Amino acid sequence: RKEVEQDPGPFNVPEGATVAFNCTYSNSASQSFFWYRQDCRKEPKLLMSVYSSGNEDGRFTAQLNRASQYISLLIRDSKLSDSATYLCVVADSGGGADGLTFGKGTHLIIQP
Amino acid sequence: GAVVSQHPSWVICKSGTSVKIECRSLDFQATTMFWYRQFPKQSLMLMATSNEGSKATYEQGVEKDKFLINHASLTLSTLTVTSAHPEDSSFYICSARDYRGNGQPQHFGDGTRLSIL
Repeated sequence: RKEVEQDPGPFNVPEGATVAFNCTYSNSASQSFFWYRQDCRKEPKLLMSVYSSGNEDGRFTAQLNRASQYISLLIRDSKLSDSATYLCVVADSGGGADGLTFGKGTHLIIQP
Repeated sequence: GAVVSQHPSWVICKSGTSVKIECRSLDFQATTMFWYRQFPKQSLMLMATSNEGSKATYEQGVEKDKFLINHASLTLSTLTVTSAHPEDSSFYICSARDYRGNGQPQHFGDGTRLSIL
């Protein structure tokens, strides 16, 4: 069974701090990796794709370690609006042509 | 940008009722749509992959006779929960694959909260 494991948290972090999340995935043949955020009782929204070389989008940096089957997300200068559940997502094929496998999510609370 | 519309957003009904949920891609054609389910404090779990014009592919443990999927057109897939019971209460969400490759692997609908009394 394909699995994606994440620390559920919650992570309580003061505004302006840096926070990092990790996840591990079980299927070594996985091809595509993403971070989504999900607000309470809402649909998940794509935050960023994760590439082997690592990638950055503003305050967000994602890293992938295929050898260790490990994905990370770093959020710098955290804002109150960053409070959400962050979902680590893996796909067997490139571009999500197959169904996505979601982790349970890591709950982040940014405190003023 | 691509939009996926899901309807209804909230359903409350009695045990034994069948409930139909619609998922529409509004500005693109979706040959493949996916149905997920999320129980409280759990991850989204893929239920089935819906392909236009053919039978859906169900994940292990999902009853095909219980969750009927129809994908009759390139913009519409429906999920019918037949004879729903309280244990079927969940957040059901669809997504559509956008082959135009605009960066999103799948576009999600807003989800349907199903409560069976």
